[in-house]
Amino acid sequence: QSALTQPASVSGSPGQSITISCTGTSSDVGGYNYVSWYQQHPGKAPKLMIYEVSNRPSGVSNRFSGSKSGNTASLTVSGLQAEDEADYYCSSYTSSSTVLFGGGTKLTVL
Amino acid sequence: DVQLVESGGGLVQPGGSLRLSCVASGLTVSSNYMNWVRQAPGKGLEWVSVIYSDGNTYYADSVKGRFTISRDNSKSTLYLQMNSLRVEDTAVYYCARDHGGFHIWGQGTMVTVSS
Repeated sequence: QSALTQPASVSGSPGQSITISCTGTSSDVGGYNYVSWYQQHPGKAPKLMIYEVSNRPSGVSNRFSGSKSGNTASLTVSGLQAEDEADYYCSSYTSSSTVLFGGGTKLTVL
Repeated sequence: DVQLVESGGGLVQPGGSLRLSCVASGLTVSSNYMNWVRQAPGKGLEWVSVIYSDGNTYYADSVKGRFTISRDNSKSTLYLQMNSLRVEDTAVYYCARDHGGFHIWGQGTMVTVSS
């Protein structure tokens, strides 16, 4: 069970857009529409930002959006704000009825 | 309000055991897919285990055969029994409710395995 692949870091200036990728296989990301994205600030519990590839929970800004193509899912954050600076993790349901997380991406707002 | 509160963490020697608890309020543990997720210091999230509403359980390879997930519906509590603990099990352990994604998380409980 190898972790999903995410870039270690991404950065952008306030107001810009960034995209974080999450690459898996046909046994996880590519095989199911159960990809989620989480935001985690230091010392805090993770917060769900996107579920089932592209759905936003109530209360999450519409600046956050998700998509998937083949074995790669993506999280886009538009109109970057200072408070978006955090670690972001993707996850996917797998064919083994388990869950895999990505290694995490540190988003820096310049 | 829906809330999950973990407890039971602490310092344990390698080879020892510990039982974590997660008390749920505002939701029925037995009707949900309840998970444990951990995070080693300075590291990323790692899924540990799930118990489905039908009682089926699944585990990460790293804990299979050592950890057991269970629930007590009368106490609205999720458990994680951890045996044969290793140094690499040191982490913050979170319980989380799965509904297409982990919508609800507890605050976490720290487990330290060290001699």
